Amino acid sequence: DQQVKQNSPSLSVQEGRISILNCDYTNSMFDYFLWYKKYPAEGPTFLISISSIKDKNEDGRFTVFLNKSAKHLSLHIVPSQPGDSAVYFCAASAGGANNLFFGTGTRLTVIP
Amino acid sequence: EPEVTQTPSHQVTQMGQEVILRCVPISNHLYFYWYRQILGQKVEFLVSFYNNEISEKSEIFDDQFSVERPDGSNFTLKIRSTKLEDSAMYFCASSKGRASYNEQFFGPGTRLTVL
Repeated sequence: DQQVKQNSPSLSVQEGRISILNCDYTNSMFDYFLWYKKYPAEGPTFLISISSIKDKNEDGRFTVFLNKSAKHLSLHIVPSQPGDSAVYFCAASAGGANNLFFGTGTRLTVIP
Repeated sequence: EPEVTQTPSHQVTQMGQEVILRCVPISNHLYFYWYRQILGQKVEFLVSFYNNEISEKSEIFDDQFSVERPDGSNFTLKIRSTKLEDSAMYFCASSKGRASYNEQFFGPGTRLTVL
């Protein structure tokens, strides 16, 4: 039941460049999307979110874009820093429900 | 900064045994959750809990699972008769409010190994 998909298991980017992490979803009822970052031996940490009424949300170096017609969202990190190296999970929820549906994650490595 | 804590960090048990995983949510949060992540797979929602009762649960959360808030601080997940496929990382989370728009704060997880 892959309602949220992250098709790239890993991504390597040079420090200072842009990192683009992608996420696709299949459930048209999803109306809220989140990105979580996870370091080893820690739980997921909330990064940024976006409601389906928007197509862009920005927070410092992090921007999330939502394309509802394509059921696609992406996370842009500019500029990428070595400390950004982690696993990034896309998550979605529907109708104000609390249960989050997660993707399988993308491991980002930022090379100094 | 307040955080969600979980104990133990690693639990090893024999198949068929009962385990209790413990969590201390952030003190002013009202909603509590359990998620699990089988190695190499996605994080999956198990259950949400509010006002001393289950708010939502997934298909995974069958009769072998139960949750409880035995006192004012702890939130527990009990697996009655563990199976090999229960081996996973179990994450507890909490949030101030119900809707998605309230950030869920995750604990560091308990790695459960069923032998």
